[in-house]
Order: sequence, then C-alpha cells, then structure tokens
Amino acid sequence: KQEVTQIPAALSVPEGENLVLNCSFTDSAIYNLQWFRQDPGKGLTSLLLIQSSQREQTSGRLNASLDKSSGRSTLYIAASQPGDSATYLCAVRKGFQKLVFGTGTRLLVSP
Amino acid sequence: EAGVVQSPRYKIIEKKQPVAFWCNPISGHNTLYWYLQNLGQGPELLIRYENEEAVDDSQLPKDRFSAERLKGVDSTLKIQPAELGDSAVYLCASSPGLRTSRAGELFFGEGSRLTVL
Repeated sequence: KQEVTQIPAALSVPEGENLVLNCSFTDSAIYNLQWFRQDPGKGLTSLLLIQSSQREQTSGRLNASLDKSSGRSTLYIAASQPGDSATYLCAVRKGFQKLVFGTGTRLLVSP
Repeated sequence: EAGVVQSPRYKIIEKKQPVAFWCNPISGHNTLYWYLQNLGQGPELLIRYENEEAVDDSQLPKDRFSAERLKGVDSTLKIQPAELGDSAVYLCASSPGLRTSRAGELFFGEGSRLTVL
C-alpha cells in the first residue's frame, strides 16, 4: 500500500527566504507525482506535475524534483512571498489507480 | 478555460437528512473523481469515473453513499441518510485522457463543505 509522507507538517519563514518542502513515498513504481496548493476553505490548485520519466519541473519561482529510486520529491520555492502562505500537498499516482495524498505542509510566510 | 464547478459550496443539515452535491468537470475531461477531505488531512478517493463507468468505488460507503455520472459529463454524489461523521469537504476533480500532454493531471473544484448537526 502506497504511503505518502510530507515533512515538515508546518513551516514559518520570513519573506524572501528560499525554502524546500519534502515529500516521500513508499512505492517507487509511480506513474506521476503532482504538487498542489490549497488555501483555507478552497479547493486544490495544481502547481506542478512530474511524469515518472522526468526528474524535475519548473514554473516561475517553483521547482519540483523527483527521485523515484529513493521515493522522494522536493518542492523548492524561491524568494518566498506572503502570498505563498497556504498548505502544500503532494500526491502520487500508480497507473490508473487512485492518487494518494500526503497530509500536507502548512506554510506561513511573514512580511 | 472554465474550471471544475461544484455546488453547493456550503451545506448544513441535520443528521439523517439526505444531501446531494453536484459537479461539472472541465470540458473534454473523461475522468471524474469524488474525494473526501477531513480537516487537516489530505483528500481520500471515494469514487472514480471513466466516462459513465464507475471504475473504482472501493472506498465509497455504499450503504449510504451513491453517485452517478449520466452521459459522462456532470456527476452527483448523494448521502442518505447523513451521519455526524460525514461532516467534511467533498471535492470533485477531473483529468484529461492519458494521450494528452497533461496526462493524469488532476484539476479540482472549490469543494462542497458539509456540516451535519
């Protein structure tokens, strides 16, 4: 059974810092991995999708990497801003099977 | 491009009452999902549709939950009767086919927050 863990559970940083969020999964035979952002009371917004054949994806200040062999992914946020404050969730998918989510990292960026 | 649309956004009912949630996926997305999210937790899959067919409903509590996706587009999720423990956010998501450039990427709606009193 696939298990997804996110560390840390919560993170508080001052504005401007670069930061890394971690995601680990137990079954390395995945189809893809997706990072989401969730604001309080809102749905999930897709940030980055990494297919199993890829090692990283970039979008603006965000960079996500994937190391299947070690069962790890990282989300790097450069020059953090207060607007980045949200919960970040990673989810892994194995073929047509369901997406398995981690419990998320709650990020607070202070002005 | 319009996103996934869900309604209602909020619903408060008394236990034992029925409730229904509606979802309109992104146009052209064949796969539709219903997820349940409890506070502080990641979403958990309830049911997945490929067009009209429910291909994974193993996590759906079938004694009180039902879902349908008529014509392979809109979907409804129903709970009857609702229990206190059903209070949660019900999220709908859709994804494009596996032969597209964004294969397997999920797009979520805003969710329907249910409170059972």
